[in-house]
Amino acid sequence: AQKITQTQPGMFVQEKEAVTLDCTYDTSDPSYGLFWYKQPSSGEMIFLIYQGSYDQQNATEGRYSLNFQKARKSANLVISASQLGDSAMYFCAMREVAQGGSEKLVFGKGTKLTVNP
Amino acid sequence: NAGVMQNPRHLVRRRGQEARLRCSPMKGHSHVYWYRQLPEEGLKFMVYLQKENIIDESGMPKERFSAEFPKEGPSILRIQQVVRGDSAAYFCASSLVLAGRGELFFGEGSRLTVL
Repeated sequence: AQKITQTQPGMFVQEKEAVTLDCTYDTSDPSYGLFWYKQPSSGEMIFLIYQGSYDQQNATEGRYSLNFQKARKSANLVISASQLGDSAMYFCAMREVAQGGSEKLVFGKGTKLTVNP
Repeated sequence: NAGVMQNPRHLVRRRGQEARLRCSPMKGHSHVYWYRQLPEEGLKFMVYLQKENIIDESGMPKERFSAEFPKEGPSILRIQQVVRGDSAAYFCASSLVLAGRGELFFGEGSRLTVL
């Protein structure tokens, strides 16, 4: 079963507008963490933002904010005032604890964001 | 502070050859993860290592793939007798701890092309 679902293969946004990238997750663990990473065309993975399952407030990092709706199991990324440099693949990930205590990040398939001038 | 260093950045191999990918984690990080990314796909977990120990290899193919993180030196992902389907980007990541907001720091990836 897919643990992280990103339903938008591609998204387009005009420069300076806001955009929301969707992410839903599936876990029965009461303690978990959610991450967003950006992958530009150059290929590196850049950490953007983190949300803990017990965090009382939605995470924010500059122009990035996370719309965390725990009951709906969604953790959507909101990018405000889009810039041309925001064009990239965006991946949602969840920290998963395996048997034996091993922890790893499980990634969604990603959303390709294109910012138009 | 140097980030996660991976080499080579690009590697071309013919079917049946061996591929060795190296990863030096960030200074002080003892947790190393290897992920594989196929074209147009997300990252798939392969293996999680700490110094001299494989902690979780649940994502590793049963044959031809192996990984190590020795006491001294970089972590190595080794693919024997490569096939075309092994063509992918292989990412290494390291962390101090993953619990809480401990994030993974990724290298720039090694792109393997099998001819």
